[in-house]
Amino acid sequence: AQSVTQLDSQVPVFEEAPVELRCNYSSSVSVYLFWYVQYPNQGLQLLLKYLSGSTLVESINGFEAEFNKSQTSFHLRKPSVHISDTAEYFCAVSDTGGFKTIFGAGTRLFVKA
Amino acid sequence: NAGVTQTPKFQVLKTGQSMTLQCAQDMNHEYMSWYRQDPGMGLRLIHYSVGAGITDQGEVPNGYNVSRSTTEDFPLRLLSAAPSQTSVYFCASSYLDQRSNYGYTFGSGTRLTVV
Repeated sequence: AQSVTQLDSQVPVFEEAPVELRCNYSSSVSVYLFWYVQYPNQGLQLLLKYLSGSTLVESINGFEAEFNKSQTSFHLRKPSVHISDTAEYFCAVSDTGGFKTIFGAGTRLFVKA
Repeated sequence: NAGVTQTPKFQVLKTGQSMTLQCAQDMNHEYMSWYRQDPGMGLRLIHYSVGAGITDQGEVPNGYNVSRSTTEDFPLRLLSAAPSQTSVYFCASSYLDQRSNYGYTFGSGTRLTVV
């Protein structure tokens, strides 16, 4: 069965520092990969996605993630974080042609002034 | 454009009571699903639907029923509430094509407490 592992439950970081949130998945088939963000007391919002093509995908607010098939990873990075990036981030995977998306347990990003 | 609308936002139930969580979307999405979110466990899929009249089970379907009579609505029914069903419930929808999933649009959630 498909599974997603987010290696850090909490990541504290100072404002303007770089950050990496790690995500590994288990699959031997083609997959689609997603990062979602959840701000306090809100639903999840799609941050970025990898469907095919370039392995590096970017969001409109400066996050990027790279699909690494050999390492089955899809880590999320941002070169300089802001206080407003404080949220919980979820990595998710679905098999191509499938209808189920499996989510990781989430990583809480705390950005400190 | 309202997106995905969930009602109610908060609910307290007594053990054994039944209730229906409502979900409606106005984007003409074929795919709809229900997830529950519990601390440290991420989101777990309860049930999903790929179109009106078609539903299927996810990872944790026991104790829940769904139906999809229209494209817009996908209610989730708790048959006999148990404390283990205390959770935050999210409804999500998306387009479907040969790629299956472009990414979900989520509702704002229903926080359910069973006492």
